[in-house]
Amino acid sequence: SQQGEEDPQALSIQEGENATMNCSYKTSINNLQWYRQNSGRGLVHLILIRSNEREKHSGRLRVTLDTSKKSSSLLITASRAADTASYFCATANQAGTALIFGKGTTLSVSS
Amino acid sequence: NAGVTQTPKFQVLKTGQSMTLQCAQDMNHNSMYWYRQDPGMGLRLIYYSASEGTTDKGEVPNGYNVSRLNKREFSLRLESAAPSQTSVYFCASSDLLVYNEQFFGPGTRLTVL
Repeated sequence: SQQGEEDPQALSIQEGENATMNCSYKTSINNLQWYRQNSGRGLVHLILIRSNEREKHSGRLRVTLDTSKKSSSLLITASRAADTASYFCATANQAGTALIFGKGTTLSVSS
Repeated sequence: NAGVTQTPKFQVLKTGQSMTLQCAQDMNHNSMYWYRQDPGMGLRLIYYSASEGTTDKGEVPNGYNVSRLNKREFSLRLESAAPSQTSVYFCASSDLLVYNEQFFGPGTRLTVL
């Protein structure tokens, strides 16, 4: 069963706009990770936020984590066409031995 | 560094045929994983190997076997392929299970007729 679920499933925006996608999860976590997948390629790690962190930045990416609501959000500011991809959140399985990925949010950025 | 490599990139099988997907990493990672990705399903974990010499089932292990040949290599075998195994298969590795980022290979696109 899925641990993390992304929302929305699909998002279309114009270049320069901000994109926000959300992830909800079910059980307590050690950390939460976000990955990007360009069409036809493998996943690439974007950012990891630990359970004792509330916000983390990396370039144009901002990730927040609310452990009380079991949710996280990924904000991409000033989107570019190259940001077009699917974005996945991932959390640990209950045994803490492997990551479980959500179904992803497909982001389309048009110029 | 090549990172995580997978062979083959594409494969077409007939129902009942067998094949092995190969994966190798050159980052000296302890943990390796096999996922399958189907449209609308996200990634699902098939098997993983927390360290050399150990393997464990993931979410969807039926119809698959794995071998952790050494620290670098982790193979996935389909003994008798079925159309339901048509998917894109990704191998990944990480330094320490869920506490570090995973590095992914480019994937193998498998079609079973």
